[in-house]
Amino acid sequence: DGGITQSPKYLFRKEGQNVTLSCEQNLNHDAMYWYRQDPGQGLRLIYYSQIVNDFQKGDIAEGYSVSREKKESFPLTVTSAQKNPTAFYLCASSRPGGTAFEEPQHFGDGTRLSIL
Amino acid sequence: GEDVEQSLFLSVREGDSSVINCTYTDSSSTYLYWYKQEPGAGLQLLTYIFSNMDMKQDQRLTVLLNKKDKHLSLRIADTQTGDSAIYFCAIKAAGNKLTFGGGTRVLVKP
Repeated sequence: DGGITQSPKYLFRKEGQNVTLSCEQNLNHDAMYWYRQDPGQGLRLIYYSQIVNDFQKGDIAEGYSVSREKKESFPLTVTSAQKNPTAFYLCASSRPGGTAFEEPQHFGDGTRLSIL
Repeated sequence: GEDVEQSLFLSVREGDSSVINCTYTDSSSTYLYWYKQEPGAGLQLLTYIFSNMDMKQDQRLTVLLNKKDKHLSLRIADTQTGDSAIYFCAIKAAGNKLTFGGGTRVLVKP
C-alpha cells in the first residue's frame, strides 16, 4: 500500500544534541512538507520541498534543517539551536500545485519529540 | 498572510448532526480541506471543496462554502462515537502551501 512512513514514533533529545526525523513516501509525490504541532494548536509549516534537491523555508524554519536528495525521502534535523523542540512533528506529501488534478496533502502518523 | 479560525470545542450527542465552522481571510483561496486527527495520529483527509463550488456531499459529510463571508463548514450527519477527534480546516491559496486552523475538538456523548 502506498503511504508515508515517519520514524521513529517517539524520540528523545538531550540538551545540545541534534536529532533527525525520518520521512519516506512511496506515493511518487514530488512535493513534501514538515509541520510542527503544539498541544491544542494547529499545524505550522517548517520546511517544504517541491522537487528533489530544492527546498524552501516555511513559517518557523529557525533551528531546523532539511535535505531532499531523493524523491522518496525528506529528513528533518532538529538542531541544538531549536530551544523549544518538544512537539509533534508531521510529514506530508502531495503532487505539486498547478497540475490538472489538485491532489491534497497526505500525512504520515507523526513523530513525538521530547527533551530529556 | 492567510488567517484561519475555528472554534475550539464542540460537544454533540450520538445520532445528532455536528457542524464545525471555519472562517478565513484570503479571498484568493483555491482549495479548502477538512482533516480529522485522532489521538497520537497524523491527519486523515476527510473531504475537500474547490472554491467555485458552494456545496459538496460525501456520504455523512456535507461541506458548505460561503465565499462572500469566507466561511466554510463541515456537517457530520448521524454523528457516531468514532467521530470524536480533532477536525482541522486547511486553506490553500497561492502556491502549494496550506494554512491550517487551530482545530476543533469534537466530543460525541452516548
